Amino acid sequence: QLQLQESGPGLVKPSETLSLTCIVSGSAITSGVYYWGWIRQPPGKGLEWIGSIFHRGNTYYNPSLKSRVTMSVDTSSNQFSLKLTSVTAADTALYYCASPDVDTGVVFYWGQGNLVTVSS
Amino acid sequence: QSALTQPASVSGSPGQSIAISCTGTSSDVGGYNLVSWYQQHPGKAPKLLIYEVTKRPSGVSNHFSGSKYANTASLTISGLQAEDEADYYCCSYAGGRGFGVFGTGTKVTVL
Repeated sequence: QLQLQESGPGLVKPSETLSLTCIVSGSAITSGVYYWGWIRQPPGKGLEWIGSIFHRGNTYYNPSLKSRVTMSVDTSSNQFSLKLTSVTAADTALYYCASPDVDTGVVFYWGQGNLVTVSS
Repeated sequence: QSALTQPASVSGSPGQSIAISCTGTSSDVGGYNLVSWYQQHPGKAPKLLIYEVTKRPSGVSNHFSGSKYANTASLTISGLQAEDEADYYCCSYAGGRGFGVFGTGTKVTVL
């Protein structure tokens, strides 16, 4: 069974870059069955897709965040990463890594979430 | 893209049935039979309940069911139980973008 585990700092200063990594186990990141994505949830609010990446490097970013987002895949380590630049307090959220199915977009598997707080 | 529209809250008594609506457009909900529903308890990651409008993953209770008509999908919880108290989110495929669009979320309260 696929398992996802986020890692990264819990506190980032305003204007700096948020960096998170998701370690994939139970499946090769190159399987071609899934995209590898990031979803965030501000405290007390709903879910928002940040974007996703295919193992070949194709990226799909939410237009509202596109100018600040970069995603990458490290096939040798079976992990993928998120970078979000110029963060503000509005980027404070629980960040989940997820694996949307390539054909349907369904997310069967989620990471447990990594709370990132933007504060000086 | 705009979030799909869900009611902010729905409540019911134990044993009752409730329905949560999820309204989108012909570019998402109405255009594909690829609506999924997720349940989220406080402090937990979302859990898939329904996918492809009506299908349940292995292990999900059959008192959850899904349907769709035109641009609106619905999740029905039959025989409401205390443990069903949670937040529920719909999500629809919206073309080959690598991800879908979520609904605004509905808080279900068991009275």
